[in-house]
Amino acid sequence: KQEVTQIPAALSVPEGENLVLNCSFTDSAIYNLQWFRQDPGKGLTSLLLIQSSQREQTSGRLNASLDKSSGRSTLYIAASQPGDSATYLCAGGGGANSKLTFGKGITLSVRP
Amino acid sequence: DGGITQSPKYLFRKEGQNVTLSCEQNLNHDAMYWYRQDPGQGLRLIYYSQIVNDFQKGDIAEGYSVSREKKESFPLTVTSAQKNPTAFYLCASSSRQGDFLNTGELFFGEGSRLTVL
Repeated sequence: KQEVTQIPAALSVPEGENLVLNCSFTDSAIYNLQWFRQDPGKGLTSLLLIQSSQREQTSGRLNASLDKSSGRSTLYIAASQPGDSATYLCAGGGGANSKLTFGKGITLSVRP
Repeated sequence: DGGITQSPKYLFRKEGQNVTLSCEQNLNHDAMYWYRQDPGQGLRLIYYSQIVNDFQKGDIAEGYSVSREKKESFPLTVTSAQKNPTAFYLCASSSRQGDFLNTGELFFGEGSRLTVL
């Protein structure tokens, strides 16, 4: 059974800092790994999708990497801004395993 | 704009009542999903559908029912048999490669918050 872990549950950083959010998974046979952002009371917004054949994806100030052998994905946020404050969730699975398993998320607060 | 529309955004239910949450997508996606989100827990899959007129139970299907009569629509009914229905419900959709689920990017609606009075 796939388990996805995101530690720590909450993180507070000053504006301008570069930061890394971690996501660990137990079953390396994942089809893809997706990172989402969720604002309070809102749905999830897709940030980046990494297919199993890829090692990383980039969008603006965001970069996500995937290392299947170590069961780990990281989301790198460059030059953080107060507007980046939200909960960030990762989800892995899909393909032959079908089911997508979500982590519980990391709540990020960027202080002005 | 393409996307997923959920309604209503907020819903209140008395005990013993059935309620239906609407989910409509115009992304031309084959696969649609319903998730439940509770504080401190990850998203849990209720039901999913890969194609019209077909759907499968997820991890927590008891007390819920769905239909998939149109590609664009996947309504969720929360029945009186659901013992703890107060939660945030999220509908999602994705494209599909072959018979495999979750092979495409997953898109979510804005959610529906159900409260039992």
